[in-house]
Amino acid sequence: EDQVTQSPEALRLQEGESSSLNCSYTVSGLRGLFWYRQDPGKGPEFLFTLYSAGEEKEKERLKATLTKKESFLHITAPKPEDSATYLCAVQAVGGTYKYIFGTGTRLKVLA
Amino acid sequence: GAGVSQSPSNKVTEKGKDVELRCDPISGHTALYWYRQRLGQGLEFLIYFQGNSAPDKSGLPSDRFSAERTGESVSTLTIQRTQQEDSAVYLCASSLVTGTNQPQHFGDGTRLSIL
Repeated sequence: EDQVTQSPEALRLQEGESSSLNCSYTVSGLRGLFWYRQDPGKGPEFLFTLYSAGEEKEKERLKATLTKKESFLHITAPKPEDSATYLCAVQAVGGTYKYIFGTGTRLKVLA
Repeated sequence: GAGVSQSPSNKVTEKGKDVELRCDPISGHTALYWYRQRLGQGLEFLIYFQGNSAPDKSGLPSDRFSAERTGESVSTLTIQRTQQEDSAVYLCASSLVTGTNQPQHFGDGTRLSIL
């Protein structure tokens, strides 16, 4: 069964304290892996798509990487406005285009 | 508007009543998806539309749930005889075409509470 597991469930960082969020996945064949940011009361906001192992994408203080089993979202020198829940999702090869989501990592960055 | 629009933003209803949730996708987006997000859980896929057809309805939890799309635009998710376990945020997403290189863009959801 296709599955996505995110860790940690919650993370508190001081402003400027870099860290990484993990997304482990098992899928029959990976079509794509997606990172989203979700603020309270809002829908997920698209950040990155990764397609193949070794790929990296960057946007401001965020950098996403992908291996054959997991993806990392690295946050460099975070600011309080980076506080949100970060969601990882995979899309599997084979006929359906649904996303399979993890339960997310709740990030709190303290000033 | 520029983004996916969902209405109502909040809905409170009594157990046993029917509810209708609406999604207006981004203009020109042919693919539309419904997900459910229960408190503390990940998003669960419900159904997706390509145009007005629904090739994958595998996530609909029971026959109380149905959805339709008309004019390759607006979609409606209907829940009949609501139960307390239906309480959740229902999210709609759309993408330009079906496929990986067109990510899904989400609305802010409808928060459904069943009393």
